[in-house]
Amino acid sequence: GIQVEQSPPDLILQEGANSTLRCNFSDSVNNLQWFHQNPWGQLINLFYIPSGTKQNGRLSATTVATERYSLLYISSSQTTDSGVYFCAVGLRNYGQNFVFGPGTRLSVLP
Amino acid sequence: GAVVSQHPSWVICKSGTSVKIECRSLDFQATTMFWYRQFPKKSLMLMATSNEGSKATYEQGVEKDKFLINHASLTLSTLTVTSAHPEDSSFYICSARRPWREVRDEQFFGPGTRLTVL
Repeated sequence: GIQVEQSPPDLILQEGANSTLRCNFSDSVNNLQWFHQNPWGQLINLFYIPSGTKQNGRLSATTVATERYSLLYISSSQTTDSGVYFCAVGLRNYGQNFVFGPGTRLSVLP
Repeated sequence: GAVVSQHPSWVICKSGTSVKIECRSLDFQATTMFWYRQFPKKSLMLMATSNEGSKATYEQGVEKDKFLINHASLTLSTLTVTSAHPEDSSFYICSARRPWREVRDEQFFGPGTRLTVL
């Protein structure tokens, strides 16, 4: 099956700093999503981005499908950005079942 | 749009009892729903895929007689943990797949159910 890696595993930032989270995957995919899991466990959809670049406010994401990686950029971080960021990938041949990466745990300090 | 709800949000039960968790897509029809399990500080692990009107597909290592899944309508899937034991304590999360013109398959997640078995 598809293997998904995320880096770094943990990240501590001062409020206002920028960061880049990375997701590597082992096979070609046609579905990739980034999520933020808040302290209450809710998974919030950030981006649906199997390829290309998207931006939403302070967040942006880029997926280079041919090189099998995706990046999530967080600019001017805020304490509310704290939580775990997951990327998940899917492949139609595998029935579109998601494989989640291990996550990046982000702590933004005031 | 694309709201998924779960009920209950948390449940405590005695060992040996059964617990039912509901997952509903509130503003779209979902032919496919998924059930995940998450241990503390770990990632999500897919347990099973629930297809409306047919039997669920379970991932390797997941006991189908322990975790009963029913997808009776296009907006409701249920997970029943039968004869629960303390090792079944976990955070259970469902998702619903919203296909868009058969090209974009995006999953939306419920808020999760925290199960504690005493």
